[in-house]
Parts: sequence; C-alpha cells; structure tokens
Amino acid sequence: KAGVTQTPRYLIKTRGQQVTLSCSPISGHRSVSWYQQTPGQGLQFLFEYFSETQRNKGNFPGRFSGRQFSNSRSEMNVSTLELGDSALYLCASSLNPGAGDTEAFFGQGTRLTVV
Amino acid sequence: AQSVSQHNHHVILSEAASLELGCNYSYGGTVNLFWYVQYPGQHLQLLLKYFSGDPLVKGIKGFEAEFIKSKFSFNLRKPSVQWSDTAEYFCAVLSGGYNKLIFGAGTRLAVHP
Repeated sequence: KAGVTQTPRYLIKTRGQQVTLSCSPISGHRSVSWYQQTPGQGLQFLFEYFSETQRNKGNFPGRFSGRQFSNSRSEMNVSTLELGDSALYLCASSLNPGAGDTEAFFGQGTRLTVV
Repeated sequence: AQSVSQHNHHVILSEAASLELGCNYSYGGTVNLFWYVQYPGQHLQLLLKYFSGDPLVKGIKGFEAEFIKSKFSFNLRKPSVQWSDTAEYFCAVLSGGYNKLIFGAGTRLAVHP
C-alpha cells in the first residue's frame, strides 16, 4: 500500500509570508504527527492529530498550526515566516499509538527554505 | 521532560567492523523505544522497536538492540557493517502514549569499503 505522502517536496518562501504543507497518511492510519528537522536542533515534535483533534503539541510558537480532516489527511500552516523556519518538515502516521504496540511511518518531508 | 541522548555524533568504520551506537533515555517508567535510520535522500525508516518482553530486539538488515532498564539504555548493534549502512541513525522514545517521539540528536555513520 502507498506510504505517507507529503506535498510539496520543496518550497521557497519569503520572510513574512505564510505556507501550508500537506500530508496524506497511510490508508487506515488515523494519527498524524508533524516534526521539524534542522541541523542545529535535530528532530523536534510539532503536534499530533487523531480523529481531527489535536492531542499533543510541542514547544513551538503559535505561528505553527495544523489541522486534520475527516479522511485523516493533515495540513500544517506556518504564518509570518522567519529565516529560522527553514527546515525539513516531516509527517508521520500510525494506526493509534495510544492503543499498544505500534510504529510511526514517515513521509519524505517538505524542504522549506525561507529567504 | 523526557530526553534521549546519543553518545556519538559521527562514527567512521571500515566494512566488516562491528557497530555499537549508544542511546540513553531519561524517563524512569514504562518506555517504548525505537531506532530509526535515514539513508541519504530517503525518509526515516524503522529499524527496530521495543515495547515489552525480550529486552534483546532484532530488527531489519541484521541490526539488534538491547534494552537495559537499570542503565536507561537502548544501544544499537550490528556485528558486521556494510558500505550500504552509511546513514544517520536516530534513537527515539515514545512520549505520553501518543504519536509523539522524542528523538536523540542522531549519529552519522560512514562505512568505508
């Protein structure tokens, strides 16, 4: 079956703009998480959605937001972009991690460059 | 807050050498632990995971890891590495039962033929 799909793969934006990234989870997976990967900070958790509800949020400013649709697809939005937002944004899906042995499957990411 | 520490940031080995990458976590309760690998230009892939049971976990591509609760460790091992193992390796702990992984800083492994 198809893996986790993230679009677009690459984005270049200007400071002050906003951006929306999309993630389509593996079919049947209802949990979607987002991570930011940078050389300096490594992989950091942004937020997690399950059944259209945000269950967990990392330590990022309110400019970072997300949502999940009824088909489990998720979007994340970053408003008022800053240079420091340049990163690889990863999406991960899983069945329901609160229900026992499970694992997260990652997409290839969206490479965001802010200039 | 939970944290994960990976001891080596860069490791260089020759083919056929043995590998051990260190990972320590901070949480003292029940933990779910993972090792992920990121090959150049590819997405993160799960190597192995520990949820419960046998503390010696076997994963894909000949990797294994041992969960030692008393040492808060989950070290990754491979008896004989190959050039194709060149990648970045991440140890992670599942936080709070949801799909929130706390990652270590990663270890870049370079294997020379």
